[in-house]
Amino acid sequence: DGGITQSPKYLFRKEGQNVTLSCEQNLNHDAMYWYRQDPGQGLRLIYYSQIVNDFQKGDIAEGYSVSREKKESFPLTVTSAQKNPTAFYLCASSTSGTANYGYTFGSGTRLTVV
Amino acid sequence: AQTVTQSQPEMSVQEAETVTLSCTYDTSESNYYLFWYKQPPSRQMILVIRQEAYKQQNATENRFSVNFQKAAKSFSLKISDSQLGDTAMYFCAFTIQTSGSRLTFGEGTQLTVNP
Repeated sequence: DGGITQSPKYLFRKEGQNVTLSCEQNLNHDAMYWYRQDPGQGLRLIYYSQIVNDFQKGDIAEGYSVSREKKESFPLTVTSAQKNPTAFYLCASSTSGTANYGYTFGSGTRLTVV
Repeated sequence: AQTVTQSQPEMSVQEAETVTLSCTYDTSESNYYLFWYKQPPSRQMILVIRQEAYKQQNATENRFSVNFQKAAKSFSLKISDSQLGDTAMYFCAFTIQTSGSRLTFGEGTQLTVNP
């Protein structure tokens, strides 16, 4: 079955460490996205990519980095520069270069700083 | 900037009753698409319903329907015959043609269906 796989489901990070969240899709979707979810703040866009080898900053890109070397993969690195990384992270994808039909979402990664 | 506002952080309803969740948005564009997503306790985001702004007819999906008021920039979700499985966080979202592929989300409404 086609879908989006995020791993790991839970991730613990020590202060000062970089961590990478994985997102893989087999839907043949062109565009991929990373959102952060915090209580009472909805979903906020971190980065998005509409084609391979290209990506754009979203509204809260500081302290994060991404790469898009393959169409299927869009990993997110949470760097030590991100001051408050504890959150739920959602990866999504969409066909073509628009969101007119909405997104397909992964099941998320819960990141906790310890 | 495009914004979405959900003014009801929490709502509750009795099983089998009807409930309406509110959503307002702000954009100067005329061509856009609106969505309601459901996030149950599993946290998997599920598309509930989609509305094209240029269509006057309100979208319906089984027990879920919307009241789309374009002039008022309002997009409410009505859930009829509420079921325990409808308990979830509900997010309103929209995208405009000129935004590329970005979806803007509201803050969410936590709906609890009581037996």
